[in-house]
Formats: sequence, structure tokens, C-alpha cells
Amino acid sequence: GAVVSQHPSRVICKSGTSVKIECRSLDFQATTMFWYRQFPKQSLMLMATSNEGSKATYEQGVEKDKFLINHASLTLSTLTVTSAHPEDSSFYICRAPTGAYEQYFGPGTRLTVT
Amino acid sequence: DAKTTQPPSMDCAEGRAANLPCNHSTISGNEYVYWYRQIHSQGPQYIIHGLKNNETNEMASLIITEDRKSSTLILPHATLRDTAVYYCIVRSRSSGAQKLVFGQGTRLTINP
Repeated sequence: GAVVSQHPSRVICKSGTSVKIECRSLDFQATTMFWYRQFPKQSLMLMATSNEGSKATYEQGVEKDKFLINHASLTLSTLTVTSAHPEDSSFYICRAPTGAYEQYFGPGTRLTVT
Repeated sequence: DAKTTQPPSMDCAEGRAANLPCNHSTISGNEYVYWYRQIHSQGPQYIIHGLKNNETNEMASLIITEDRKSSTLILPHATLRDTAVYYCIVRSRSSGAQKLVFGQGTRLTINP
């Protein structure tokens, strides 16, 4: 079945640095991918929609200059957390729709900012 | 997409059937009911979906009421590995590549 991977699975960085998270669709193409953030004991919150070949669209309250999204190919979307701060520590998950009923999610990336 | 209401938590004994309810009283005619689950520190996993008929697959059964205002996800023989947060989401068929918005879900704990 379709698989979505994320890299890295876990990252620890210092406050003020930038972190890039990759989301790949392994055996299908995805013109659209979605990025979610999840804080402990909370539900997934949609951050933005990544569009291949065009700008991402962000949900209300999500800073586009802080969370840079690049969807350079049909199988890769990247989320860069710029100038990360401890409050950005979270579980980041991507989703890639296949066009079928099932929606494939990545395994998530645990970001810890110290 | 229509809003859903789920109990925040449920417990079930291992080996018994787990029945998870979901209310979606504002569902419209072209909207499907989807169920996903999220095991701790993993990405969500698709379970099942339906429009108006009851559905069954290798993971679960989905029972949708005749008026489609509520549904129940049934895990027939729950195991410890079924401990997870279960999300009921209502969305239209045409929105395969559109937003998928999660509510708070039900935290299901399977007890030995």
C-alpha cells in the first residue's frame, strides 16, 4: 500500500536555529500534502497545505515566515521551522492524499527545542 | 465539513467488543463518515469509512444509523494494541485532496 515517510523521526535543536522536516510519498505522487502539528494530549491541528509548484496555503494563525513549506517535487514536501523556540516543540505530521479513500499519514517528527 | 461529537475517553476489557460512538447530526447527503486512529507518538491510521450502509473490513465494523446522524465503530475483539485515540470525521467524497480536520477524538484504553 501507499506509504509516506518523514525524516527525521526525532530532532533536538537549540533555540534560534532552523530545522527542516521532510515528507516523502514513497510509491505515489502527491500534488498536495498537508502539515499538522500536535501538542501533548491534544488533537492534530492543521497548519498548512503544501502545493507542488506553487505557494503553500496557511491556516489562520500560522506564521508563514516561520514555517516555510517547499513542495519542490511530486513526492517531496519540506517544512522548515525557522528560528525555533521552545514553544515550537511539538509532534509534526504530514499527510499525503492518494486520491483514494484512504489518507496516508507520515509517522511524525518529534521536535524538541532547548 | 460537518462537525462530530465523541466521548473523550472509554475503557474496554481485552477480548471484548469496543463500541465507539460518534454523533454527526449536521451531516449532509454527500458526506461520508471516516474513522482514523492514532497510537501514541505515531501518525494517524485509516480504519474504515461509510456513507449509509454498514461496513466491515479486517479491522473494524462501522454501523451508521438510518438517519445518518450518528455512527458506531466496533472493534469486535479488542486487544491491548488497540489502545489509541480514535477520530470520527465527516467529509464529502469530493474532498479527497482537501483539508481533513480532526476533533478531539476518543481515547480508548484496552485493559488486560
